[in-house]
Amino acid sequence: DAKTTQPPSMDCAEGRAANLPCNHSTISGNEYVYWYRQIHSQGPQYIIHGLKNNETNEMASLIITEDRKSSTLILPHATLRDTAVYYCIVRVGGINTGTASKLTFGTGTRLQVTL
Amino acid sequence: DGGITQSPKYLFRKEGQNVTLSCEQNLNHDAMYWYRQDPGQGLRLIYYSQIVNDFQKGDIAEGYSVSREKKESFPLTVTSAQKNPTAFYLCASSGRDHRVHFGNGTRLTVT
Repeated sequence: DAKTTQPPSMDCAEGRAANLPCNHSTISGNEYVYWYRQIHSQGPQYIIHGLKNNETNEMASLIITEDRKSSTLILPHATLRDTAVYYCIVRVGGINTGTASKLTFGTGTRLQVTL
Repeated sequence: DGGITQSPKYLFRKEGQNVTLSCEQNLNHDAMYWYRQDPGQGLRLIYYSQIVNDFQKGDIAEGYSVSREKKESFPLTVTSAQKNPTAFYLCASSGRDHRVHFGNGTRLTVT
């Protein structure tokens, strides 16, 4: 699976959009971009994933550049409860590939949301 | 309510003792995983299982053992051969959509 690079930490004011970048310049054509977050002392939580189109769900939006070498996770209105470590992961994905979803975690971005 | 249950949340053992961490899921997922997390670090894969009665080593399997006798259960044994067993252990599972669901972990302290 391709390696990712994320800034170690970011701050965001409550109510503002949080934009978390991720570089994955060696991503392969069949690799998806996944985002998870981990609140202190809990298990990671799935946020969103995508292949090449931008994606949006109730939690966040994922913007993937046209060359797929980088992406941005957007939390449109950050709250204090969004304070967590955010992990960007690339892996071979998609439904029914027949392989276990092994995830390779880096150290992620620690997002601190402040009043 | 579907999910992954890890118990206990905190576990204390003396050095030299084997200890087994429990993981149960009711999501009907075929694949299950064990990860280890050390302070300030990301998760590292210990073992994973794609189906009952089958499992493979992950990146840091030395000193650990697993079994997968039932679809719902994937216990992890931390043996006395594991040099640095104190860590936060996370169990996970995934289904056909490949989204990985995590439990809330067991924090193991060995003294």
